Amino acid sequence: DTGVSQDPRHKITKRGQNVTFRCDPISEHNRLYWYRQTLGQGPEFLTYFQNEAQLEKSRLLSDRFSAERPKGSFSTLEIQRTEQGDSAMYLCASSFSLGEGDNSPLHFGNGTRLTVT
Amino acid sequence: GQSLEQPSEVTAVEGAIVQINCTYQTSGFYGLSWYQQHDGGAPTFLSYNALDGLEETGRFSSFLSRSDSYGYLLLQELQMKDSASYFCALPRGKLIFGQGTELSVKP
Repeated sequence: DTGVSQDPRHKITKRGQNVTFRCDPISEHNRLYWYRQTLGQGPEFLTYFQNEAQLEKSRLLSDRFSAERPKGSFSTLEIQRTEQGDSAMYLCASSFSLGEGDNSPLHFGNGTRLTVT
Repeated sequence: GQSLEQPSEVTAVEGAIVQINCTYQTSGFYGLSWYQQHDGGAPTFLSYNALDGLEETGRFSSFLSRSDSYGYLLLQELQMKDSASYFCALPRGKLIFGQGTELSVKP
């Protein structure tokens, strides 16, 4: 168990550019989650997968955001036409969960810090 | 929808006991979780309550009252390393997090 890893750790981009982040979950985990966190706030849910199926996407998420988990292992989060308001820490987490009310803890990666200039 | 409320910050001294409260609103309750996040670090799981009462894990305990939609995290024998943000969260497929309570432990 090497934990959840995210790449890159930091990304600086200019407004209007596209960026893509990668997350490698704990290998035996079936669920993978993406969150966004800004300073002084709690993690804000973006989307999550069970195996390769995307089960839910936040209604707050614009169409510029898309996530994939093609083989049920690693996942990518792409932000198109970045805006300054997208600057945040993007956190990935994974868990082995059996249902909606499952209490299996989420294991978080160290995040990708995005700065849009 | 779901929502959680917790105090934005709490200050306490080393060796003391501190309680971080959380009230929530949700349709369909499955439990209340607590996470810790140090500055610059990833959130890490602390505890989970599905039923009313107190769950103890070392210096940390978590309490739940489902009838009051209320829970708290109790930290005893505070240490400097406990300075961090603490989040209550509702499991609903994904986890819905509160805004967090920043705990500062002073010498």
